[in-house]
Amino acid sequence: AQSVAQPEDQVNVAEGNPLTVKCTYSVSGNPYLFWYVQYPNRGLQFLLKYITGDNLVKGSYGFEAEFNKSQTSFHLKKPSALVSDSALYFCVDRFGGGFKTIFGAGTRLFVKA
Amino acid sequence: DGGITQSPKYLFRKEGQNVTLSCEQNLNHDAMYWYRQDPGQGLRLIYYSQIVNDFQKGDIAEGYSVSREKKESFPLTVTSAQKNPTAFYLCASSIHSNEKLFFGSGTQLSVL
Repeated sequence: AQSVAQPEDQVNVAEGNPLTVKCTYSVSGNPYLFWYVQYPNRGLQFLLKYITGDNLVKGSYGFEAEFNKSQTSFHLKKPSALVSDSALYFCVDRFGGGFKTIFGAGTRLFVKA
Repeated sequence: DGGITQSPKYLFRKEGQNVTLSCEQNLNHDAMYWYRQDPGQGLRLIYYSQIVNDFQKGDIAEGYSVSREKKESFPLTVTSAQKNPTAFYLCASSIHSNEKLFFGSGTQLSVL
Protein backbone atom coordinates (compact mmCIF):
# COMPACT_ATOMS: atom_id res chain seq x y z
CA ALA A 1 0.00 0.00 0.00
CA GLN A 2 1.10 3.52 -0.69
CA SER A 3 2.64 5.22 2.32
CA VAL A 4 4.60 8.28 3.37
CA ALA A 5 6.98 8.12 6.30
CA GLN A 6 8.28 11.00 8.35
CA PRO A 7 10.70 9.23 10.67
CA GLU A 8 11.12 12.07 13.15
CA ASP A 9 8.26 13.23 15.36
CA GLN A 10 10.23 16.32 16.30
CA VAL A 11 13.25 18.22 15.04
CA ASN A 12 15.06 20.80 17.14
CA VAL A 13 17.42 23.32 15.59
CA ALA A 14 19.01 26.60 16.63
CA GLU A 15 18.12 29.78 14.79
CA GLY A 16 20.52 30.43 11.92
CA ASN A 17 21.45 26.76 11.53
CA PRO A 18 20.39 24.66 8.55
CA LEU A 19 17.35 22.43 9.01
CA THR A 20 16.24 19.17 7.43
CA VAL A 21 12.87 17.47 7.81
CA LYS A 22 12.90 13.96 6.41
CA CYS A 23 10.34 12.18 4.25
CA THR A 24 10.36 8.87 2.40
CA TYR A 25 7.65 7.49 0.16
CA SER A 26 6.73 4.03 -1.00
CA VAL A 27 7.28 3.18 -4.63
CA SER A 28 4.17 2.69 -6.72
CA GLY A 29 3.76 4.58 -9.95
CA ASN A 30 4.74 8.21 -10.17
CA PRO A 31 4.87 10.13 -6.92
CA TYR A 32 3.38 13.60 -6.76
CA LEU A 33 5.07 14.92 -3.63
CA PHE A 34 4.20 17.98 -1.63
CA TRP A 35 5.24 19.69 1.58
CA TYR A 36 2.75 21.64 3.70
CA VAL A 37 3.19 23.60 6.92
CA GLN A 38 0.64 24.00 9.71
CA TYR A 39 0.79 26.75 12.30
CA PRO A 40 -1.14 26.24 15.58
CA ASN A 41 -4.91 25.91 15.17
CA ARG A 42 -4.70 26.81 11.51
CA GLY A 43 -5.18 25.10 8.19
CA LEU A 44 -2.24 23.86 6.17
CA GLN A 45 -0.27 26.04 3.79
CA PHE A 46 1.47 24.81 0.65
CA LEU A 47 5.27 25.05 0.62
CA LEU A 48 6.39 23.25 -2.52
CA LYS A 49 5.77 20.31 -4.83
CA TYR A 50 7.59 17.84 -7.04
CA ILE A 51 5.91 16.21 -10.02
CA THR A 52 8.59 15.87 -12.70
CA GLY A 53 11.70 17.73 -13.74
CA ASP A 54 14.48 19.10 -11.57
CA ASN A 55 15.16 17.09 -8.46
CA LEU A 56 15.74 20.23 -6.39
CA VAL A 57 12.51 22.10 -5.86
CA LYS A 58 12.38 25.60 -4.40
CA GLY A 59 9.33 26.77 -2.50
CA SER A 60 7.91 29.40 -0.20
CA TYR A 61 9.67 31.07 2.74
CA GLY A 62 13.14 29.96 1.58
CA PHE A 63 12.40 26.24 1.80
CA GLU A 64 13.57 23.70 -0.74
CA ALA A 65 13.30 19.94 -1.12
CA GLU A 66 15.37 17.35 -2.92
CA PHE A 67 13.72 14.45 -4.70
CA ASN A 68 15.91 11.35 -4.63
CA LYS A 69 14.46 8.46 -6.61
CA SER A 70 17.07 5.88 -5.60
CA GLN A 71 16.47 6.57 -1.91
CA THR A 72 12.72 7.26 -2.37
CA SER A 73 13.15 10.42 -0.33
CA PHE A 74 11.90 13.97 -0.50
CA HIS A 75 13.59 15.80 2.38
CA LEU A 76 12.66 19.40 3.19
CA LYS A 77 15.55 21.78 3.80
CA LYS A 78 16.32 25.38 4.63
CA PRO A 79 19.83 26.86 4.83
CA SER A 80 19.14 29.11 7.83
CA ALA A 81 16.26 28.46 10.25
CA LEU A 82 14.10 31.18 11.76
CA VAL A 83 12.16 31.03 15.02
CA SER A 84 9.05 31.71 12.94
CA ASP A 85 9.64 28.43 11.08
CA SER A 86 8.52 26.56 14.20
CA ALA A 87 5.44 24.62 13.09
CA LEU A 88 4.15 21.19 12.07
CA TYR A 89 5.33 19.97 8.67
CA PHE A 90 3.59 17.36 6.52
CA CYS A 91 4.93 15.43 3.56
CA VAL A 92 2.17 14.37 1.16
CA ASP A 93 1.95 12.03 -1.82
CA ARG A 94 -0.89 12.60 -4.27
CA PHE A 95 0.08 9.42 -5.99
CA GLY A 96 -0.54 9.24 -9.69
CA GLY A 97 -1.87 12.78 -9.61
CA GLY A 98 -5.23 11.56 -8.43
CA PHE A 99 -7.60 12.90 -5.81
CA LYS A 100 -6.54 10.60 -3.02
CA THR A 101 -3.74 11.79 -0.81
CA ILE A 102 -1.43 10.10 1.63
CA PHE A 103 -0.18 12.31 4.45
CA GLY A 104 2.82 11.58 6.59
CA ALA A 105 2.22 11.75 10.34
CA GLY A 106 3.91 15.13 10.54
CA THR A 107 7.15 16.44 12.03
CA ARG A 108 7.11 19.20 14.61
CA LEU A 109 9.95 21.66 14.08
CA PHE A 110 11.20 23.74 17.01
CA VAL A 111 13.62 26.55 16.23
CA LYS A 112 15.29 28.01 19.30
CA ALA A 113 16.55 31.58 19.41
CA ASP B 1 -9.58 37.99 -0.97
CA GLY B 2 -10.16 34.49 -2.32
CA GLY B 3 -10.10 31.58 0.05
CA ILE B 4 -11.89 28.87 1.95
CA THR B 5 -14.13 29.61 4.91
CA GLN B 6 -15.00 27.00 7.47
CA SER B 7 -17.56 27.48 10.21
CA PRO B 8 -17.98 27.20 13.06
CA LYS B 9 -14.47 27.26 14.51
CA TYR B 10 -15.59 25.15 17.50
CA LEU B 11 -18.52 22.75 17.61
CA PHE B 12 -19.89 20.51 20.32
CA ARG B 13 -21.95 17.42 19.64
CA LYS B 14 -24.28 15.67 22.03
CA GLU B 15 -24.71 11.92 22.04
CA GLY B 16 -26.87 10.75 19.15
CA GLN B 17 -26.86 14.12 17.42
CA ASN B 18 -25.97 14.89 13.83
CA VAL B 19 -23.93 18.05 13.26
CA THR B 20 -23.00 19.82 10.03
CA LEU B 21 -19.72 21.60 9.32
CA SER B 22 -19.76 24.31 6.72
CA CYS B 23 -17.16 24.84 3.98
CA GLU B 24 -17.39 27.60 1.37
CA GLN B 25 -14.80 28.58 -1.26
CA ASN B 26 -14.65 31.49 -3.68
CA LEU B 27 -11.60 30.26 -5.59
CA ASN B 28 -13.69 28.78 -8.41
CA HIS B 29 -12.10 25.39 -7.77
CA ASP B 30 -13.79 22.26 -9.06
CA ALA B 31 -12.37 19.86 -6.48
CA MET B 32 -13.15 19.97 -2.76
CA TYR B 33 -12.12 17.70 0.09
CA TRP B 34 -12.77 16.95 3.74
CA TYR B 35 -9.99 15.71 6.01
CA ARG B 36 -9.87 14.65 9.62
CA GLN B 37 -6.81 15.41 11.76
CA ASP B 38 -6.12 13.52 14.98
CA PRO B 39 -3.16 14.29 17.27
CA GLY B 40 0.03 12.57 16.18
CA GLN B 41 -1.46 11.47 12.89
CA GLY B 42 -1.47 12.89 9.44
CA LEU B 43 -4.65 14.03 7.77
CA ARG B 44 -7.04 11.34 6.58
CA LEU B 45 -9.41 11.83 3.67
CA ILE B 46 -13.12 11.53 4.49
CA TYR B 47 -14.79 12.54 1.21
CA TYR B 48 -13.86 14.39 -1.94
CA SER B 49 -15.79 15.92 -4.79
CA GLN B 50 -14.48 16.47 -8.29
CA ILE B 51 -17.45 18.41 -9.53
CA VAL B 52 -20.93 19.59 -8.55
CA ASN B 53 -23.41 16.81 -7.71
CA ASP B 54 -20.62 14.23 -7.51
CA PHE B 55 -18.62 13.03 -4.51
CA GLN B 56 -16.56 9.99 -3.59
CA LYS B 57 -15.71 8.24 -0.35
CA GLY B 58 -12.22 8.63 0.99
CA ASP B 59 -10.44 6.35 3.42
CA ILE B 60 -12.63 6.97 6.49
CA ALA B 61 -16.11 7.84 5.18
CA GLU B 62 -18.12 5.71 7.63
CA GLY B 63 -20.28 7.87 9.90
CA TYR B 64 -20.01 10.93 7.63
CA SER B 65 -22.06 12.32 4.76
CA VAL B 66 -21.59 15.20 2.31
CA SER B 67 -23.40 17.06 -0.45
CA ARG B 68 -22.19 19.20 -3.34
CA GLU B 69 -25.18 21.10 -4.68
CA LYS B 70 -23.15 24.20 -5.50
CA LYS B 71 -19.60 24.62 -6.71
CA GLU B 72 -18.74 26.90 -3.79
CA SER B 73 -20.11 24.73 -0.99
CA PHE B 74 -19.22 21.30 0.39
CA PRO B 75 -20.82 20.73 3.82
CA LEU B 76 -19.90 17.74 5.96
CA THR B 77 -22.40 16.07 8.29
CA VAL B 78 -21.04 14.04 11.19
CA THR B 79 -23.77 11.55 11.95
CA SER B 80 -24.56 9.72 15.17
CA ALA B 81 -23.04 6.63 13.56
CA GLN B 82 -19.58 8.18 13.93
CA LYS B 83 -18.62 6.88 17.37
CA ASN B 84 -15.39 8.80 17.74
CA PRO B 85 -16.03 12.21 16.18
CA THR B 86 -13.71 14.33 18.31
CA ALA B 87 -11.10 15.70 15.91
CA PHE B 88 -9.99 18.74 13.93
CA TYR B 89 -11.75 18.84 10.56
CA LEU B 90 -10.18 20.54 7.57
CA CYS B 91 -11.80 21.42 4.27
CA ALA B 92 -9.66 21.97 1.18
CA SER B 93 -10.01 22.70 -2.51
CA SER B 94 -7.84 22.47 -5.60
CA ILE B 95 -8.02 23.45 -9.26
CA HIS B 96 -7.18 19.97 -10.45
CA SER B 97 -6.36 16.64 -8.84
CA ASN B 98 -2.60 17.06 -9.03
CA GLU B 99 -2.43 20.66 -7.94
CA LYS B 100 -1.81 22.07 -4.50
CA LEU B 101 -4.52 22.08 -1.89
CA PHE B 102 -5.88 25.26 -0.36
CA PHE B 103 -7.10 24.72 3.19
CA GLY B 104 -9.64 26.37 5.42
CA SER B 105 -8.76 27.22 9.02
CA GLY B 106 -10.56 24.17 10.40
CA THR B 107 -13.35 23.20 12.79
CA GLN B 108 -12.63 21.56 16.14
CA LEU B 109 -15.42 19.13 16.96
CA SER B 110 -15.81 17.82 20.49
CA VAL B 111 -18.32 15.52 22.13
CA LEU B 112 -20.23 16.72 25.18
